[in-house]
Amino acid sequence: DADVTQTPRNRITKTGKRIMLECSQTKGHDRMYWYRQDPGLGLRLIYYSFDVKDINKGEISDGYSVSRQAQAKFSLSLESAIPNQTALYFCATSETGREAAEAFFGQGTRLTVV
Amino acid sequence: AQKITQTQPGMFVQEKEAVTLDCTYDTSDQSYGLFWYKQPSSGEMIFLIYQGSYDEQNATEGRYSLNFQKARKSANLVISASQLGDSAMYFCAMRKRGSNAGGTSYGKLTFGQGTILTVHP
Repeated sequence: DADVTQTPRNRITKTGKRIMLECSQTKGHDRMYWYRQDPGLGLRLIYYSFDVKDINKGEISDGYSVSRQAQAKFSLSLESAIPNQTALYFCATSETGREAAEAFFGQGTRLTVV
Repeated sequence: AQKITQTQPGMFVQEKEAVTLDCTYDTSDQSYGLFWYKQPSSGEMIFLIYQGSYDEQNATEGRYSLNFQKARKSANLVISASQLGDSAMYFCAMRKRGSNAGGTSYGKLTFGQGTILTVHP
């Protein structure tokens, strides 16, 4: 089983619908992140959480919200999906306190808003 | 604010040759870490190599090495003896090192736009 699991893997939704992307991890990491990937723009940070009680906006948080239900779970919601939120979404985790700690990524969720 | 720039949208290399993927960064911080990730066509993100800003030697991991030039703020990835399986998207990323009073900016990873590498047989 993957250390960082995202569900669903693919989703097509209609404009205006609410959708939730879920992420769970077995790494035991406190830090979790949500990124979106768009061609030519790389990965951009949406939200990040350094522990269950700590939630921070990233560079492109408008139109998104998150919930850190437990150390292992971090969900991303699109309250009212719009077509320009069509993208590949990644959840990631990393250790606290180790400077060289790389981020571990989920398999990605490909979201299409029509 | 941190910024990562990868100026090569696409690169081509012959199998068994070496290739350098460019990465420049902009930060006012003195302590930071630099990462490279590989994304094959299957989509997963694979960590390749890490370089700390105070590391005296360039990082190496197998066929990957990082040409770190701190004064020029560049952290180029060198892949030696390219293989067909190296064809992928490559991302450079940076993270501030150390902690600050608020603690909220330490640890987030900022990515560049990526470079698509194609290895020809």
